[in-house]
Amino acid sequence: DAGVTQSPTHLIKTRGQQVTLRCSPKSGHDTVSWYQQALGQGPQFIFQYYEEEERQRGNFPDRFSGHQFPNYSSELNVNALLLGDSALYLCASSDNGRGSYEQYFGPGTRLTVT
Amino acid sequence: AQSVTQLDSHVSVSEGTPVLLRCNYSSSYSPSLFWYVQHPNKGLQLLLKYTSAATLVKGINGFEAEFKKSETSFHLTKPSAHMSDAAEYFCVVSDLDNQGGKLIFGQGTELSVKP
Repeated sequence: DAGVTQSPTHLIKTRGQQVTLRCSPKSGHDTVSWYQQALGQGPQFIFQYYEEEERQRGNFPDRFSGHQFPNYSSELNVNALLLGDSALYLCASSDNGRGSYEQYFGPGTRLTVT
Repeated sequence: AQSVTQLDSHVSVSEGTPVLLRCNYSSSYSPSLFWYVQHPNKGLQLLLKYTSAATLVKGINGFEAEFKKSETSFHLTKPSAHMSDAAEYFCVVSDLDNQGGKLIFGQGTELSVKP
């Protein structure tokens, strides 16, 4: 049973560019959450998707957007990249359909903005 | 608003000695609390969770934590540290007021284990 997978593993972008990160949830999970972890910090909640809709959002600008597909996989898009967007981006999945809120994390995508 | 405070940014112990990582929480209602561990270049792994059942929670790899409402604490302990326990540990509270609940992380405690 595959856990949460994310792609790519690493990414280098230039300021002003756009980036798309991808996440496949654990089998049987219907909810995907995204977190940003800056170096030396705890992860910060970006948003959560359930039933293909953004259900909850953290304190991030509109440059951060997402999408959830019918197979529950998800994308995180960041436009107009800033140096401060350099971080580890973590995806977590959970089975909210069964009322279980335990979140399982993927290995993350390391984004470097130069 | 909910929050967690990890009282130590870095803890160093010798192999075979006890581990104590301290966490205080703030919540307007009965919280769900978690401890996650992050090894270098790896994702977050759930160690244990408290969801209003028994106040003493046992997790993986010999770790346990005790929920103390009167002290608003959820400290993580292990009787005997192993070299493989060296990692970053996060205390986490879940915002269950909103269905599905975002996770709110503490700043992390780096655990070093000396031989």
